[in-house]
Amino acid sequence: GDSVTQMEGPVTLSEEAFLTINCTYTATGYPSLFWYVQYPGEGLQLLLKATKADDKGSNKGFEATYRKETTSFHLEKGSVQVSDSAVYFCALSDRTLIIQGAQKLVFGQGTRLTINP
Amino acid sequence: EAGVTQFPSHSVIEKGQTVTLRCDPISGHDNLYWYRRVMGKEIKFLLHFVKESKQDESGMPNNRFLAERTGGTYSTLKVQPAELEDSGVYFCASTSGFNTEAFFGQGTRLTVV
Repeated sequence: GDSVTQMEGPVTLSEEAFLTINCTYTATGYPSLFWYVQYPGEGLQLLLKATKADDKGSNKGFEATYRKETTSFHLEKGSVQVSDSAVYFCALSDRTLIIQGAQKLVFGQGTRLTINP
Repeated sequence: EAGVTQFPSHSVIEKGQTVTLRCDPISGHDNLYWYRRVMGKEIKFLLHFVKESKQDESGMPNNRFLAERTGGTYSTLKVQPAELEDSGVYFCASTSGFNTEAFFGQGTRLTVV
């Protein structure tokens, strides 16, 4: 079945450092890819998404590019802030199911990010 | 507009007891999903409602779990009897339909002791 693998955490960086969180996927179909973020005490929020190969999703200074050839969707940010401390989840959804009105998400295990001032 | 709301935020119960989790989706969202994250691992799909009907319950772990969505509004997830391995964070999400963003609740942290 479909699966998502993301880099092990926790990740600790200093403010203004460059961030990369790796994510690779296995899918039988042609999935849509997502990054979700969970800030302390809050629910999951969609951070960004990409629906086809070579698409780049971006939001709040974060970016991720859908790479079909390497089955990857790595999350990057050029200069992190303390407020970026959270748990980040990479996820995919089968586009066939999306077209049918469903959005069954397959998640990675999450990466806890801590940014120190 | 209110987001997805889950009750309770935390629950600690003894093995063998019953617990009922509740999810109130965003008003008007026909699609409701339950997910679970166990012990820092990946978040796993449990089931999907379209209005009051179960569209996909392939992720339900066993028959100790019962989900309902009477009237197509809020949903409940009952665990009876609870086992230690049921501990984790249970998330609810809702979408309005085709190719739309999934909005998640803050989760219910269930601890079975």
